[in-house]
Amino acid sequence: EAGVAQSPRYKIIEKRQSVAFWCNPISGHATLYWYQQILGQGPKLLIQFQNNGVVDDSQLPKDRFSAERLKGVDSTLKIQPAKLEDSAVYLCASSPRTGTDTQYFGPGTRLTVL
Amino acid sequence: DAKTTQPPSMDCAEGRAANLPCNHSTISGNEYVYWYRQIHSQGPQYIIHGLKNNETNEMASLIITEDRKSSTLILPHATLRDTAVYYCIVRVAHYGGSQGNLIFGKGTKLSVKP
Repeated sequence: EAGVAQSPRYKIIEKRQSVAFWCNPISGHATLYWYQQILGQGPKLLIQFQNNGVVDDSQLPKDRFSAERLKGVDSTLKIQPAKLEDSAVYLCASSPRTGTDTQYFGPGTRLTVL
Repeated sequence: DAKTTQPPSMDCAEGRAANLPCNHSTISGNEYVYWYRQIHSQGPQYIIHGLKNNETNEMASLIITEDRKSSTLILPHATLRDTAVYYCIVRVAHYGGSQGNLIFGKGTKLSVKP
């Protein structure tokens, strides 16, 4: 079974530029999560989708971050414009359902904002 | 905020058992204890979870105290590949919505040495 796929693996941009990350979850998984992991900290949930609807986006900085999962499968996370403090690893995870199902994580995208 | 307390780092000799403690003194009756680990440059990986009883799988054993205020993850024969950050997370048993979301702390960095 293929795991969660993410691209790109690495991205370097200058502040005020925009960037987008892509995630393809495990086939059949209804729930998709985006996390931000700053160096030295644990991952922090940004947004959770159930199929193509948003369940929780309470920690997403909506003035600059957006995410979509239009067909209920793959998802994109965008930052526009990027700030220095957005430098982090962006992790995507999926699970069969919400709640206490095990989450399966992708390898992440490491973003560096200069 | 994370509801668990873990030591920031631990060392273990290769081939010996690694015992990783976690305090969760405010755990509720409907909350499970989950363990994930994150190997360098990878996404977190599920290890094991439990509610009251001790649990064992092919990766590890989980020992939960009778009052459920603390637990220990045991890797019976640690190898160099077990070097990682280990996260202990308490999580409600609930399907649907965002109540069962993972809240990561900083975890314990386990270093397995030859």
